[in-house]
Amino acid sequence: NAGVMQNPRHLVRRRGQEARLRCSPMKGHSHVYWYRQLPEEGLKFMVYLQKENIIDESGMPKERFSAEFPKEGPSILRIQQVVRGDSAAYFCASSPLASADTQYFGPGTRLTVL
Amino acid sequence: GESVGLHLPTLSVQEGDNSIINCAYSNSASDYFIWYKQESGKGPQFIIDIRSNMDKRQGQRVTVLLNKTVKHLSLQIAATQPGDSAVYFCAENRATDSWGKLQFGAGTQVVVTP
Repeated sequence: NAGVMQNPRHLVRRRGQEARLRCSPMKGHSHVYWYRQLPEEGLKFMVYLQKENIIDESGMPKERFSAEFPKEGPSILRIQQVVRGDSAAYFCASSPLASADTQYFGPGTRLTVL
Repeated sequence: GESVGLHLPTLSVQEGDNSIINCAYSNSASDYFIWYKQESGKGPQFIIDIRSNMDKRQGQRVTVLLNKTVKHLSLQIAATQPGDSAVYFCAENRATDSWGKLQFGAGTQVVVTP
């Protein structure tokens, strides 16, 4: 029974490049959440998606960041024209339902921007 | 402002002793709380949750206490083991916000000494 899967686990990009982070939720889960964690800090909510719908993107930066969860395939968090401040760990979580059900987290993608 | 926060950044515990990790929240509308454990280089791992209509919940070696009067949450770990060394986060789901948007505290580092 695979948990939440994220890839790549580590990603290195130069300033100005694009970063694509992928998340496959647990089997049977239709809700996906992305969080960002800076060193020595807690996780910060970014976006909540269901299949083909963005439910809440109040934590997403207004520019350069986008997320999708297509009908088929993993959820994608895309960061365009990365800057050094984007360096962080990005975690995906999934749940079978919304409404305060437990979110199960993946191992994260550690993005380093040179 | 409204926040979820922790009292102690680091907790040193002797192996075999009990650990108590505290968390304060300020939004009385919060109705669901979760404790996560995060080991170095890994994603948050669900430990235990509690809803606002309860004041205590027990799991295997862990107990969560919720005091709504003073807006305080605690996690008790019995007979702490070396494998319990990690950062512990409390998180809340606020009914006034959209479902699924977990608000995390800053974390408490638990160090288990022999």
